[in-house]
Amino acid sequence: GEDVEQSLFLSVREGDSSVINCTYTDSSSTYLYWYKQEPGAGLQLLTYIFSNMDMKQDQRLTVLLNKKDKHLSLRIADTQTGDSAIYFCAERRARNYGGSQGNLIFGKGTKLSVKP
Amino acid sequence: EAGVVQSPRYKIIEKKQPVAFWCNPISGHNTLYWYLQNLGQGPELLIRYENEEAVDDSQLPKDRFSAERLKGVDSTLKIQPAELGDSAVYLCASSYRDKDTQYFGPGTRLTVL
Repeated sequence: GEDVEQSLFLSVREGDSSVINCTYTDSSSTYLYWYKQEPGAGLQLLTYIFSNMDMKQDQRLTVLLNKKDKHLSLRIADTQTGDSAIYFCAERRARNYGGSQGNLIFGKGTKLSVKP
Repeated sequence: EAGVVQSPRYKIIEKKQPVAFWCNPISGHNTLYWYLQNLGQGPELLIRYENEEAVDDSQLPKDRFSAERLKGVDSTLKIQPAELGDSAVYLCASSYRDKDTQYFGPGTRLTVL
């Protein structure tokens, strides 16, 4: 498909792990990103992974990349109420998709709700 | 280090009025981006600057939108005249170079009545 796909909502309990999934479009995309957006704020870079890696861990965050399936996931361990936000997956395309080569293409975001 | 600065944070105007948004990127960042974020959507690129040059403006609706980055630092995005459908958040981002990690400002929320 042409769009970066994410599920729209995820609800977890405080202390549980959250897994946010994303399917991207270009198997040649060089970098994949996760951004966090809190209400009324801009996008905050959480982490990114280069396409030659299949996993990256950064404190409570684990990114898994499956290039064959063009699937990216973000796992947040010990989820806290402060993690409640919208999480955007983005790919940096390598091929020319109607002029989008090299640009960041975002999904619609997954709204994570953390219940105490 | 200061992040990307945008102003105003909120703007309410009537349709057919002009509006302008201002962005100051992170110091030393040569590449500047303007994005449009509609409600419930991810950001979509409007225009990308390398220093003073607009290198990708293919998604900018040029009949009513314009942008400039005269000295290769601050940038202004203008809409004239605004339409109801322009209500959205306008995000500015910058990176050291093209294809480097982008850092976003807080955005300007535009409401057109």
